[in-house]
Amino acid sequence: NAGVMQNPRHLVRRRGQEARLRCSPMKGHSHVYWYRQLPEEGLKFMVYLQKENIIDESGMPKERFSAEFPKEGPSILRIQQVVRGDSAAYFCASSLGLAGVTDTQYFGPGTRLTVL
Amino acid sequence: AQSVSQHNHHVILSEAASLELGCNYSYGGTVNLFWYVQYPGQHLQLLLKYFSGDPLVKGIKGFEAEFIKSKFSFNLRKPSVQWSDTAEYFCAATRAGTALIFGKGTTLSVSS
Repeated sequence: NAGVMQNPRHLVRRRGQEARLRCSPMKGHSHVYWYRQLPEEGLKFMVYLQKENIIDESGMPKERFSAEFPKEGPSILRIQQVVRGDSAAYFCASSLGLAGVTDTQYFGPGTRLTVL
Repeated sequence: AQSVSQHNHHVILSEAASLELGCNYSYGGTVNLFWYVQYPGQHLQLLLKYFSGDPLVKGIKGFEAEFIKSKFSFNLRKPSVQWSDTAEYFCAATRAGTALIFGKGTTLSVSS
């Protein structure tokens, strides 16, 4: 399966714990995007990364949230000290990363985070 | 501010009925447009996309969309829906090198 992989698919955390969501892009893709989907809402952009670089984090809350896409390994979205309002589906998408050109983003299955 | 709006929150149709889902965008300059579908329990899949050229775009499963620049619209159509088209449909827009901006989605329920 050469698609975008996300794990875990479901994650339950208690308030105050940390959540780590992982995303492996499609083979050959060097750009990763994270989106959050709240109930009754569409997907909202959080952060856009290339390998080892954050390109745009304008959609990510300034506190408690961080993201990385290391040279080796998956992209990680990290939420520290989770609160109930963080409960949502988190989707990762990847694209080839063609300079200056729009290319298609392909989505993973998402991680559903539930904060108790 | 850039935005995408979908007019219909929930659409209910019988099989074989025709479908049109509205999407309007607010963007300056060149825009690229997408429709994604999310079937129950599955992840988002690309239905079709418009980058340039022919404003009538054909996608998978018999869907098509028309880009009307003067109306800032990119409506999704299908002449005859099937029960298996029951899903949530998202319109999205972007410019080169930026993230997608999504509409809130339209839930389509098709009864057999």
